[in-house]
Amino acid sequence: AQRVTQPEKLLSVFKGAPVELKCNYSYSGSPELFWYVQYSRQRLQLLLRHISRESIKGFTADLNKGETSFHLKKPFAQEEDSAMYYCALSGTSYGKLTFGQGTILTVHP
Amino acid sequence: ETGVTQSPTHLIKTRGQQVTLRCSSQSGHNTVSWYQQALGQGPQFIFQYYREEENGRGNFPPRFSGLQFPNYSSELNVNALELDDSALYLCASSDTRGAQETQYFGPGTRLLVL
Repeated sequence: AQRVTQPEKLLSVFKGAPVELKCNYSYSGSPELFWYVQYSRQRLQLLLRHISRESIKGFTADLNKGETSFHLKKPFAQEEDSAMYYCALSGTSYGKLTFGQGTILTVHP
Repeated sequence: ETGVTQSPTHLIKTRGQQVTLRCSSQSGHNTVSWYQQALGQGPQFIFQYYREEENGRGNFPPRFSGLQFPNYSSELNVNALELDDSALYLCASSDTRGAQETQYFGPGTRLLVL
């Protein structure tokens, strides 16, 4: 079975502070991991995926297979980063996404 | 390039009724997936359609059914509505012909069952 856990429902930081959104997963095979973001009044959109190894909007995420984690990090948070963030896993051949419950990130000025 | 669109945006039904939700996939995409998002939860996979056939299904009863049309648009049908079916229904399209499949989401249809 596939499972994604985001332990924090809410996360608050001040502008310029580092931020880390936690994601742990459970899957017996080789998963593909994603971070999706939903800004206020906008649709869910892909932020980054682990196989691309990109940095998007200053965010990075490293897949740690030993700890089964895919934490999202940004060294200096900005107010425009305030949003709902979902970690998601795809482990099947047909691309079904299993989402975590989401973390609401609030960046205070 | 047009993005994923869904209709209607909002819908109110009563228990026992049937509902049809519609999705137009992003231009060039051949696969459509449907998700249910209850309040305060992450999206849950319902099923995926590829080449007009169901290509995978989550843990949802048979009263949730779908269709995909030759133009890759899709419908989600829910029969015998229950109060717990109240949720945001998301459609996502993707192109499985590429090396990396990314799902692009629509704005959702919010369904309220009374």
